[in-house]
Amino acid sequence: GAGVSQSPSNKVTEKGKDVELRCDPISGHTALYWYRQSLGQGLEFLIYFQGNSAPDKSGLPSDRFSAERTGGSVSTLTIQRTQQEDSAVYLCASSLGDRGSQPQHFGDGTRLSIL
Amino acid sequence: EDQVTQSPEALRLQEGESSSLNCSYTVSGLRGLFWYRQDPGKGPEFLFTLYSAGEEKEKERLKATLTKKESFLHITAPKPEDSATYLCAVQVKASNDYKLSFGAGTTVTVRA
Repeated sequence: GAGVSQSPSNKVTEKGKDVELRCDPISGHTALYWYRQSLGQGLEFLIYFQGNSAPDKSGLPSDRFSAERTGGSVSTLTIQRTQQEDSAVYLCASSLGDRGSQPQHFGDGTRLSIL
Repeated sequence: EDQVTQSPEALRLQEGESSSLNCSYTVSGLRGLFWYRQDPGKGPEFLFTLYSAGEEKEKERLKATLTKKESFLHITAPKPEDSATYLCAVQVKASNDYKLSFGAGTTVTVRA
């Protein structure tokens, strides 16, 4: 497809389980971003990739969160030992060029619910 | 500390009733300001980028303006399909580049 694709669209899991969220950016976009959106809150930055490298991981809330990107394309956000406070919509975005030079284009997110 | 504040939190309009949304910011080193539209269950959709005070951008019934401390999104004669949450984001200086800082959004409901 032409846009940013995220899967799954919804994920329900039990507290303590690990989850993997996937993002497929727009073809040719070298920059990729993960955000978290909680009800009534603004988008919270998690991590930024340029190619396969992550020059800014400053938004990852704890060491239970990690992300990787392979082939300069698909990215996976992993949350280990999930907690109820991890429940949120996780959004992925991509853009051309360096961060800040072009608008970011978003996927529709993964809605994560921790029981 | 960099801050982006949007007001009001929610706005209910009658079809055809024009209004404005506000995005005020206190940031050092502003490089650009972005407006996005977000429909329920969807990701934000890019609308505009503004870079300098006095700049204006228009798209259909939407017009965005920028001053040194705030931006306005004007909705002229809105229709029900303009109902959405409108997000403002400011590019702020990071260590080596710029990153986006988002406001919490204004949810607009337009009644027919």
